[in-house]
Parts: sequence; C-alpha cells; structure tokens
Amino acid sequence: QVQLQESGPGLVKPSQTLSLTCTVSGGSISSGDYYWSWIRQPPGKGLEWIGYIYYSGSTYYNPSLKSRVTISVDTSKNQFSLKLSSVTAADTAVYYCARVKAMAPFDYWGQGTLVTVSS
Amino acid sequence: EIVLTQSPGTLSLSPGERATLSCRASQSVSSSYLAWYQQKPGQAPRLLIYGASSRATGIPDRFSGSGSGTDFTLTISRLEPEDFAVYYCQQYGSSRMYTFGQGTKLEIK
Repeated sequence: QVQLQESGPGLVKPSQTLSLTCTVSGGSISSGDYYWSWIRQPPGKGLEWIGYIYYSGSTYYNPSLKSRVTISVDTSKNQFSLKLSSVTAADTAVYYCARVKAMAPFDYWGQGTLVTVSS
Repeated sequence: EIVLTQSPGTLSLSPGERATLSCRASQSVSSSYLAWYQQKPGQAPRLLIYGASSRATGIPDRFSGSGSGTDFTLTISRLEPEDFAVYYCQQYGSSRMYTFGQGTKLEIK
C-alpha cells in the first residue's frame, strides 16, 4: 500500500519561498509508472493542481503558477519536493502530494499540510 | 484550459434518498478522462469514479457515474450517513492540465 506524507514549515512569511517535501513509502518513485504531483486547496475552497514530476526529473506545471514553482525529485530518498517563491496570503492553503499515472486520475494522496502565509 | 462547473453548489437530502450531482465542461472532455472525488472535512480527496463511469477500488456500487462530451453526472442511489461530504469532478489529459470543478456540498436535510 503506497503512502505519501507531506512535511515542511506551517508558516511562511510573505515574499519568501514555501518549501515542502513529500515522502513516498510502499512503492518506489523510480518505478517509472507514475508522475508525482502537488495539489493545493485554500481554506474552504476548491482544489488546484500545481504540477508534477517524473522520476527522471522532467516536470510540468500549471501555467498560472509556472513562474513561481519548482518541483524536484530525490530518488535516493524516495522523495519529491515543492518550492513556491514570492508567496502572498493567497498562497495560504492545504498542500497535498499525490500519485498519478499518465492520462489517469490521482489515486493516492497524502493527508495534506496547511501552510499559512503571514508575517 | 477546460473549465468544469458543478451544480448545484449545495444539495440537501436525507439518508436513503437519491443524489444527482452535475459537472459541465467548457469544452468536450474525452469520457476516458473524467473523475469524481469525495472529500470529508480534514481529509484528502478520495477517488470514486474514473473514466466517467468506472468505480475505483473499494467504492460501493451505490455510486455511479455517467455522461459524455461536456455533461457528466455522479449518482448516489441511496444515501448513507457517511456519504455526506463535498464532491469534486476532475478532468485529466487535456494538454497535460488537470482541472477540478468547484465542488458540490452534499448535506443532510
């Protein structure tokens, strides 16, 4: 059974960079079958896909966030990470990591971690 | 970008009743690429339906999906107490973009 777990600071100051890591257990990121994604959900609002990474390092980002997002992978640790720069209060959200196959829905999700942007 | 619009925003029903949730796309979605998720407070979304009509592993058969083109429906045949939650539709496969509807809240009447 695959499990994903997000970790990182719960509070980030405006204009700084949000950094989160997702640790995958029960399966290998390097298996090549899946893409590894980040999705966020502002409090009381809907879901927004941020981007994904393949184990090789190739990435694809939501165009609306592309200029501020970097997703990276560390196959040796079975982890992938999210960096979102120049954050504002609008970036306050629960951030989820999730697994997805090409042309398929998100089948496994982490529990989510709330990141608040505030001074 | 394909925009998904869900209706109604809130649906108030009683246990045992039938629920019908709608998801309309701004342009045609291949029926292979439409999913439904259930989200309860404080939890991550759970995949219910993929490919517009296929149930995910472990999903009870009271949940069913239908539709094609721009109009899709999630039906819950007989509501159980644990079914009251927020439901999201999602399309996948359009220019490698994943988009979600804004959600329908299913609440107890």
